[in-house]
Amino acid sequence: AQTVTQSQPEMSVQEAETVTLSCTYDTSESDYYLFWYKQPPSRQMILVIRQEAYKQQNATENRFSVNFQKAAKSFSLKISDSQLGDAAMYFCAYMGGSEKLVFGKGTKLTVNP
Amino acid sequence: EADIYQTPRYLVIGTGKKITLECSQTMGHDKMYWYQQDPGMELHLIHYSYGVNSTEKGDLSSESTVSRIRTEHFPLTLESARPSHTSQYLCASSELGNSNAGANVLTFGAGSRLTVL
Repeated sequence: AQTVTQSQPEMSVQEAETVTLSCTYDTSESDYYLFWYKQPPSRQMILVIRQEAYKQQNATENRFSVNFQKAAKSFSLKISDSQLGDAAMYFCAYMGGSEKLVFGKGTKLTVNP
Repeated sequence: EADIYQTPRYLVIGTGKKITLECSQTMGHDKMYWYQQDPGMELHLIHYSYGVNSTEKGDLSSESTVSRIRTEHFPLTLESARPSHTSQYLCASSELGNSNAGANVLTFGAGSRLTVL
């Protein structure tokens, strides 16, 4: 079974600075998707960024970018120019051939003014 | 506006009561999911459906049941609630598909927070 590991239960960053959240995963599949989702306090879970495993180019969405290392099974999220609204739980997730989304345990990000 | 709706948002009930958590989506998505989110925020898949009259149990065993009679509706039922069922329940949906931009991207509802006394 696939597993997703987020080794940082909590992270903090100063406003306007850059922070990187770590994620590793375990799979024997070659074709899959990786995601980062954001869950603000008491609010809806939303997609931050998606990466297709067959694409070598790292995905980017405005201030959010990933470092996808397929051989190392690593998928980190970089948030540049952090804003107060970035404070949330961030979940790394994997979807393979079963089409079921498997989540890591999450990283709580605090943004300090 | 296309979205996914969950009701109730908050529910406090006594042990032994039957409850149904509603989930509806207006996006025409074929795939729907229920996740249980524990106090530590970890998410576990408890049920999923790939279309009408299709339901499957997820990775975490659950005493709840689901039905999928209409594409847009995926309710979750607990016949006899217990304190161990206290949790947040998240409903989600996604398109069927392969390589299009929306494929496999889950849209989540706001959640139903259940407390069983």
